[in-house]
Amino acid sequence: SQQGEEDPQALSIQEGENATMNCSYKTSINNLQWYRQNSGRGLVHLILIRSNEREKHSGRLRVTLDTSKKSSSLLITASRAADTASYFCATDAYDYKLSFGAGTTVTVRA
Amino acid sequence: DAEITQSPRHKITETGRQVTLACHQTWNHNNMFWYRQDLGHGLRLIHYSYGVQDTNKGEVSDGYSVSRSNTEDLPLTLESAASSQTSVYFCASSVSGRETQYFGPGTRLLVL
Repeated sequence: SQQGEEDPQALSIQEGENATMNCSYKTSINNLQWYRQNSGRGLVHLILIRSNEREKHSGRLRVTLDTSKKSSSLLITASRAADTASYFCATDAYDYKLSFGAGTTVTVRA
Repeated sequence: DAEITQSPRHKITETGRQVTLACHQTWNHNNMFWYRQDLGHGLRLIHYSYGVQDTNKGEVSDGYSVSRSNTEDLPLTLESAASSQTSVYFCASSVSGRETQYFGPGTRLLVL
């Protein structure tokens, strides 16, 4: 069963705008990861945030983690057409495996 | 550069046939994983391995098997293909099961 669930399921924004998506999970975690999947491709790791971290940045990406609410958010600033993709959160609740959500599909309009 | 490859990239087969999907990684990772991706379900874990001769069932393992005879390869076998196994299959590897996973490009399988 899926540990993480992304919200919204789909997001359409104008180039240059920010995109925010959320991930909620059910049980305690050691870390939470975000991946990107371009159409027809495999997943690519974006960022990993550990349970003792609250915020992490990587280029135009900002990830927050609130373990008390069991939620995380991914912010993409100044979006570009190349950011059009599906974004997945993955949690490592137990047994050294990752559990992926169903993803948020982001479309960036020119 | 290290990479993870899958073959074939596309496969059409008939119900009842045995099918093997290949996964090869040059990261020298101990951990390897097979997932299937279907609309609305995200990625679901089929089988995984933490090292040579080690294999474990994931959440959707029925009808699938794997074997790990070396570090680089984890082939996935569909014993008797069913239409419900039409999906996109991804292989991944990692240093640790909880850390970053590196994904292959996927195999699109159609079972008629």
